[in-house]
Amino acid sequence: GAVVSQHPSWVICKSGTSVKIECRSLDFQATTMFWYRQFPKQSLMLMATSNEGSKATYEQGVEKDKFLINHASLTLSTLTVTSAHPEDSSFYICSARDRVSYEQYFGPGTRLTVT
Amino acid sequence: QKEVEQNSGPLSVPEGAIASLNCTYSDRGSQSFFWYRQYSGKSPELIMSIYSNGDKEDGRFTAQLNKASQYVSLLIRDSQPSDSATYLCAVKGVGSWGKLQFGAGTQVVVTP
Repeated sequence: GAVVSQHPSWVICKSGTSVKIECRSLDFQATTMFWYRQFPKQSLMLMATSNEGSKATYEQGVEKDKFLINHASLTLSTLTVTSAHPEDSSFYICSARDRVSYEQYFGPGTRLTVT
Repeated sequence: QKEVEQNSGPLSVPEGAIASLNCTYSDRGSQSFFWYRQYSGKSPELIMSIYSNGDKEDGRFTAQLNKASQYVSLLIRDSQPSDSATYLCAVKGVGSWGKLQFGAGTQVVVTP
């Protein structure tokens, strides 16, 4: 149990384009999902907290107009990187909090490369 | 002061020995504590959660929590080469709406 999927697992896009990443909790419901970014050899950096049916809460320094988050259902949250630039190249990881156990489970991550 | 602190390592452990990882946190009101394992290039995997003072054992893993000292540790018994990874300590603070504060992680290298 407690499986979180992400799609795509990797993506290469051109500078200036937008990329959407999906995060799904497959066998549990998640009222809250979290989006992280991780650069090589660095720890996880929380970008935003996504609550089902409401606006996401962004961490300080994260541009909400650049990283659009939608949490339309109890099993799906999406992150859209708009007008991507090479410095946005990173490993993006979502986690979902089980609404019953409150434990958080991570998706496998999406590796984004912007050329 | 960082909210969650871990030694970065690497912690080199002979195969079959015990690996001991430490974590301290600053928010005295924290109630939930987690250990995640992250292999290089992969996302973190939850291996242990602990909420009460004392020890919690799960297979070869034992988590220890001392809230008075604001300290949580992870022991890995009979270490295997497959245990080589970065171990992340995560703490959920009071009223944080489930946000976890992560330490920077301790890299463990198990040598055959």
